[in-house]
Amino acid sequence: KAGVTQTPRYLIKTRGQQVTLSCSPISGHRSVSWYQQTPGQGLQFLFEYFSETQRNKGNFPGRFSGRQFSNSRSEMNVSTLELGDSALYLCASSGLAGLNTGELFFGEGSRLTVL
Amino acid sequence: AQKVTQAQTEISVVEKEDVTLDCVYETRDTTYYLFWYKQPPSGELVFLIRRNSFDEQNEISGRYSWNFQKSTSSFNFTITASQVVDSAVYFCALTGYGQNFVFGPGTRLSVLP
Repeated sequence: KAGVTQTPRYLIKTRGQQVTLSCSPISGHRSVSWYQQTPGQGLQFLFEYFSETQRNKGNFPGRFSGRQFSNSRSEMNVSTLELGDSALYLCASSGLAGLNTGELFFGEGSRLTVL
Repeated sequence: AQKVTQAQTEISVVEKEDVTLDCVYETRDTTYYLFWYKQPPSGELVFLIRRNSFDEQNEISGRYSWNFQKSTSSFNFTITASQVVDSAVYFCALTGYGQNFVFGPGTRLSVLP
């Protein structure tokens, strides 16, 4: 069973640009969540999607957005990039429908560097 | 609000030593779920264990064991006879029905040969 796949793995952007990250969950998983990991703030929840609907959203500015497609693949977008957006962005999928209590399966992350 | 504390920022041990990673949580829910994840240098978080609030039995899986104590709101993780491959950052996490996962700050474990 293929794991969670995130693309791209590494990317470098400059301030003011925007970026789109992609996540393909484990086949059959309908819940996809995104996390930002930085040395200073640790793992912070961005948002979670289930069946194309955003169910929960973390405390991030509106520059951070996401969506989920009918095949459960998800994308997140960050507009007007700031230096502080440099981080490892992790995507996780879960197969426990609707309860949000099952284990999360993580991808290897997309490491974003903003110059 | 839910909160997870991992007071140990970094731990270094010599191979074959036993090591315990501490996790203390806060929640007002009566039903909740606790997790441990391992993050090796590759970056991917690897699931280790899930425990619900009604199951206080300790669990052992090979060299890994977990001690869940509701009375002290703790869910500690012990590695017996540590190995170099155990070097990683370990995260404790908490969630409940319809809630987001809350992760602790992580403990970086270095196992020296």
